[in-house]
Amino acid sequence: DAGVTQSPTHLIKTRGQHVTLRCSPISGHKSVSWYQQVLGQGPQFIFQYYEKEERGRGNFPDRFSARQFPNYSSELNVNALLLGDSALYLCASSLGGQGAYEQYFGPGTRLTVT
Amino acid sequence: AQSVTQLGSHVSVSEGALVLLRCNYSSSVPPYLFWYVQYPNQGLQLLLKYTSAATLVKGINGFEAEFKKSETSFHLTKPSAHMSDAAEYFCAVSEVKNNDMRFGAGTRLTVKP
Repeated sequence: DAGVTQSPTHLIKTRGQHVTLRCSPISGHKSVSWYQQVLGQGPQFIFQYYEKEERGRGNFPDRFSARQFPNYSSELNVNALLLGDSALYLCASSLGGQGAYEQYFGPGTRLTVT
Repeated sequence: AQSVTQLGSHVSVSEGALVLLRCNYSSSVPPYLFWYVQYPNQGLQLLLKYTSAATLVKGINGFEAEFKKSETSFHLTKPSAHMSDAAEYFCAVSEVKNNDMRFGAGTRLTVKP
């Protein structure tokens, strides 16, 4: 079975631009979470979606938004990019929306803002 | 809010030696605890998880961790290190109601031949 897939793998954007990152969960998984991992740090929780509804939101500005589609894939959008948004963005999927469910991570999208 | 602290940003062991990576958690309710491993330029892979069943949890690749409520700890161990264990290791705690997973800062494990 295919694991969690993310696209693109790398991208470079300029300050002030907008970016959309995409994630396809493992088949049968209904929950998708997004994390930001700055170089040298642990991942930071951004959003969780379960059954197309937002279930949790981390401490990120409103420039960050996300949604989940009927097929459970998800998009993360970041507006007005800042240099500090440069990071590895990880998507994780799980069967259910609660904390006991194991999360499976994708390989990430490396975003560089110049 | 729940959180984890990983003691030691870098641990170095010789091949065949004991691996001990430390993690302490802060939680007002019984937590779910996880250890993940990350190899360079890759995503995170689950090693093991604690979800209030047995306090000694066995994971993949010979790793195990023991949940100690009195010490609020969830240290990761492996009896004999292998060169392929060299990676970044993250401890994480999750809430009950959602997948808001809080990660520690990570511990980089180096294995010397």
